[in-house]
Amino acid sequence: DAKTTQPPSMDCAEGRAANLPCNHSTISGNEYVYWYRQIHSQGPQYIIHGLKNNETNEMASLIITEDRKSSTLILPHATLRDTAVYYCIVRGEGGSQGNLIFGKGTKLSVKP
Amino acid sequence: EPEVTQTPSHQVTQMGQEVILHCVPISNHLYFYWYRQILGQKVEFLVSFYNNEISEKSEIFDDQFSVERPDGSNFTLKIRSTKLEDSAMYFCASSPDRSSYEQYFGPGTRLTVT
Repeated sequence: DAKTTQPPSMDCAEGRAANLPCNHSTISGNEYVYWYRQIHSQGPQYIIHGLKNNETNEMASLIITEDRKSSTLILPHATLRDTAVYYCIVRGEGGSQGNLIFGKGTKLSVKP
Repeated sequence: EPEVTQTPSHQVTQMGQEVILHCVPISNHLYFYWYRQILGQKVEFLVSFYNNEISEKSEIFDDQFSVERPDGSNFTLKIRSTKLEDSAMYFCASSPDRSSYEQYFGPGTRLTVT
């Protein structure tokens, strides 16, 4: 089963930052934190990943706590198109364990 | 931007029939995957494939399932004798190499078994 815990749902106002939390208290030293999202009935889409440092790309920022037991995905200016289910996944370095184990994720609803 | 494609988008079949789902991964990718998602449930890993053989498979991927890369571009999932519970969305994914952090998913094939 998935090794992460996420709230089942969250709301966010359009234009505001969406902060999605994830707990992964049993993460081991060589495991990365990945975030994917799934817009209604589409294939999952990679967002970002990190090991221990904070990461930022054109889609989002990832903040990982110093003890690595939790993280937050930040969408800085949420739009209606960001409405989706967001999955936090922990996995060993890419390839050592190829498959992704998806949990139930957080259903983010961005409202006008 | 290159993308994974899947055909058909929707397949309806009768219980007991064989079905083949088709995927064209991104051209320079080396690792290929199938996942499924039963309506309203989690995305579940089925199988990964590299160098013309299965790398990993889940307990869902039993003898009724098989995968093949018949040529340099296609990657197929065959279900030999479909059951009602095989009704699901099937997603193909690919990644460039073993150390890649990102899997690229296709749009999925909705399989309905009646």
